[in-house]
Amino acid sequence: AQSVAQPEDQVNVAEGNPLTVKCTYSVSGNPYLFWYVQYPNRGLQFLLKYITGDNLVKGSYGFEAEFNKSQTSFHLKKPSALVSDSALYFCAVTGGSYIPTFGRGTSLIVHP
Amino acid sequence: DAGVIQSPRHEVTEMGQEVTLRCKPISGHNSLFWYRQTMMRGLELLIYFNNNVPIDDSGMPEDRFSAKMPNASFSTLKIQPSEPRDSAVYFCASSDSGMPGELFFGEGSRLTVL
Repeated sequence: AQSVAQPEDQVNVAEGNPLTVKCTYSVSGNPYLFWYVQYPNRGLQFLLKYITGDNLVKGSYGFEAEFNKSQTSFHLKKPSALVSDSALYFCAVTGGSYIPTFGRGTSLIVHP
Repeated sequence: DAGVIQSPRHEVTEMGQEVTLRCKPISGHNSLFWYRQTMMRGLELLIYFNNNVPIDDSGMPEDRFSAKMPNASFSTLKIQPSEPRDSAVYFCASSDSGMPGELFFGEGSRLTVL
């Protein structure tokens, strides 16, 4: 079985400050990890993925995520938040099956 | 590529009516997913097709829901009869089986059942 936990329903950060959105996972075998973003009234959009290799993965819009195998975490980060980053963020995992398991989502609110 | 195309974007109907949602996946993708999103339950997988064959339909709520994929470029999700609790945003997503877990989502169909 595979599962994802996003422990925060909402994250608030001031514009220009660094942001972190947390994700932990459970999966059999090597994980394939993903972050997606959903803007209001839109579908989910792929942000970045970790399959293998460097634990720090860079993605779209200046986002990056750090894979930590010992803590089974894949936290999303950005050095300097923008108001336009405000959206719903989903972490997802698969152990190699074609069906990813999504977290409940974390609402990121960036204040001007 | 135009991405995953869903129609209609919005549907308002009355309880008991039949609803059909449509999806055109990205050309060349051989996996297709239907999801439902609500505030209460989040994102739920309804059904997964691979090479036009339903592989996992364990998320389909009940017999009122059915999904078909007659060919690689078209899928439908049908609700008959519809109920107010079916009100949600329904997403279609497609992927290339060479990259498990990397999905491309459509813009969604917002269904309101009165």
